[in-house]
Amino acid sequence: DAGVIQSPRHEVTEMGQEVTLRCKPISGHDYLFWYRQTMMRGLELLIYFNNNVPIDDSGMPEDRFSAKMPNASFSTLKIQPSEPRDSAVYFCASNGESGNTIYFGEGSWLTVV
Amino acid sequence: EDQVTQSPEALRLQEGESSSLNCSYTVSGLRGLFWYRQDPGKGPEFLFTLYSAGEEKEKERLKATLTKKESFLHITAPKPEDSATYLCAVQAATSYDKVIFGPGTSLSVIP
Repeated sequence: DAGVIQSPRHEVTEMGQEVTLRCKPISGHDYLFWYRQTMMRGLELLIYFNNNVPIDDSGMPEDRFSAKMPNASFSTLKIQPSEPRDSAVYFCASNGESGNTIYFGEGSWLTVV
Repeated sequence: EDQVTQSPEALRLQEGESSSLNCSYTVSGLRGLFWYRQDPGKGPEFLFTLYSAGEEKEKERLKATLTKKESFLHITAPKPEDSATYLCAVQAATSYDKVIFGPGTSLSVIP
């Protein structure tokens, strides 16, 4: 099994630019989670989907953030416009059933200058 | 509000010196408690899931236990390769399947 696949692994962008992070969950998994990790705040849940439907987006910090899951094998997290305080590691994770193990991708390291 | 805290924030051990990490949680109906290990530059790696008070899980030098209010990760005779950040997470039955992580404990094992 290939695991959760994220791209890009690293991105450096200028303030004001649009950033799109991509995720391919493990095949057969019904839940997909987007987390953000910083030194100050740790791992924060931004949004999660069940069967491609957004269930809870209360962790999305601002309207500049949006996430979509057009099908079971692909999700995007978009930041528009980006700001320096958005610099963090963004993790995508998936699991097959509530209460079961959540598997994480390797993360997308975002730096906004 | 569902909450997870971990202590200590950082722990430095000599190789072979056993110790325990604590995870305290407040949730409305625990569906599952998870322990993860995270190495620098990597995503969290799953270690254990515990579902009910009294449950224990073991893997090599690690043993996780669960009570109604907290979980412990016991590390027996640690080695330098056990150095990592250990994260605790909980899933509450009433929180629409959210998984909330604690801040983690950074463990350093000195040879």
